Amino acid sequence: GEDVEQSLFLSVREGDSSVINCTYTDSSSTYLYWYKQEPGAGLQLLTYIFSNMDMKQDQRLTVLLNKKDKHLSLRIADTQTGDSAIYFCAESMHGGYNKLIFGAGTRLAVHP
Amino acid sequence: GAVVSQHPSRVICKSGTSVKIECRSLDFQATTMFWYRQFPKQSLMLMATSNEGSKATYEQGVEKDKFLINHASLTLSTLTVTSAHPEDSSFYICSARDGGEEQFFGPGTRLTVL
Repeated sequence: GEDVEQSLFLSVREGDSSVINCTYTDSSSTYLYWYKQEPGAGLQLLTYIFSNMDMKQDQRLTVLLNKKDKHLSLRIADTQTGDSAIYFCAESMHGGYNKLIFGAGTRLAVHP
Repeated sequence: GAVVSQHPSRVICKSGTSVKIECRSLDFQATTMFWYRQFPKQSLMLMATSNEGSKATYEQGVEKDKFLINHASLTLSTLTVTSAHPEDSSFYICSARDGGEEQFFGPGTRLTVL
């Protein structure tokens, strides 16, 4: 079956880079997503990558995709305290309804 | 950008009552809407997928008679938790898709059943 796994917690110093990792099992995934969730709030789409891409950069965010290893990562450059949140990796299954399968989320804590 | 709203944002009810949660796409027509449930410090679990004018498709293990979903228009879907019990307390999040690849998420509804 489909499964998405993430490490649960990451702590970084303000100004450093953060790297959040994710592995998935469904090789037919078409899109892979990174969402951010702040306390008590819904999900905010940060970025996504199409499965035929290796890398996507958007300002401070860099997404790397290794299809062979089914590994996805999100790098946040110059991490700020406002980046503290839970980050969810998700895959879009092959199929007409684009059902999303989420990982458990990585809690990013940024300290001074 | 596309905006999805949910109402109410928080609801507290007594055990045995029914609660209705609304999900609206404010500036686009949602061909498909999704309902997710999130327990504290856990991921989102898809409950059901609904398309306008047709019956919802429920995920395995989700009781369709307990979680009634109605998608009566292209901008509104409702989730009714019938005869709610304390174990139904959770954060319910909807998302909407406009036909493209992206799902737009609502802010969530926190349900507390006493």
